[in-house]
Amino acid sequence: QSVLTQPPSVSAAPGQKVTISCSGSNSNIGKNYVSWYQQLPGTAPKLLIYDNNKRPSGIPDRFSGSKSGTSATLGITGLQTGDEADYYCGTWDSSLSAVFGGGTKLTVL
Amino acid sequence: QVQLQESGPGLVKPSETLSLTCTVSGGSISYYYWSWIRQPPGKGLEYIGYIYDSGSTNYDPSLKSRVTISVDTSKSQFSLRLSSVTAADTAVYYCARLNFYYGSGSYYLAFDYWGQGTLVTVSS
Repeated sequence: QSVLTQPPSVSAAPGQKVTISCSGSNSNIGKNYVSWYQQLPGTAPKLLIYDNNKRPSGIPDRFSGSKSGTSATLGITGLQTGDEADYYCGTWDSSLSAVFGGGTKLTVL
Repeated sequence: QVQLQESGPGLVKPSETLSLTCTVSGGSISYYYWSWIRQPPGKGLEYIGYIYDSGSTNYDPSLKSRVTISVDTSKSQFSLRLSSVTAADTAVYYCARLNFYYGSGSYYLAFDYWGQGTLVTVSS
C-alpha cells in the first residue's frame, strides 16, 4: 500500500492528452514539492518533473506538472507511442522518508 | 554527465546481508545526497534511504533496523548494506542522486540521476 495514490492505469490515443493524478495528505504533498518519474519498460526511472512543475533540461514541454492542496497531476499532451511507460510521483513525508505513488501504466492506444 | 553504476552479488541467501556499491562518475560526489531505491518484481518504487557526503543518513522507517548506507568520497562510491534478508527483499536495486533541500517550510526532493539498476534475488 503506497502512501501516495495513483490510478493503476490510464490510456489515450496518439496525439491526445492524458492526465495522471497523485493523491496524498497534509503530511506529504500538502506541505512539500512533488516530482514525477517516467519508467520505460526494462529501464531505470527518469526524472520528468521536479518542484511540482519544472522540467529538467531535455524534457519536452509536452510534459507538465501541477499541484493543488494534497494532490498533484502530471499532464502529457500530443501523446506518442514512445510515451508508453510507468509513471511515478514522489515527495517527502513528515514520517521523515521519501514516498512514492504506486505507479500508473500509460497505454497509448 | 553524471553516471551511476551499481555493483554487487546478484544472489543472496536468506538471513544473510545484501551488500551493494554505487560508483559515481562524471561529477563530484561532494555536496549532494545519494540514495538507494528498490523495485520488487512487477511492483512500484520503494525508498530505502540517503546519505550526504558528510556521512549523515536517513532511512525509511520500515527498513531502518536493517539498513546501513555509507560513503567513500575518495573513491566516489556509496554503499548499501541490508541485513537479515528474506525473499521479500528480492528486487531491482537502484542508486540515485538526490536533490534535496528545505526552504520556506517545505521540502524539495527530486532523484535526478539514476543507475541502471541491479537485480538482487534472495534465495537459498
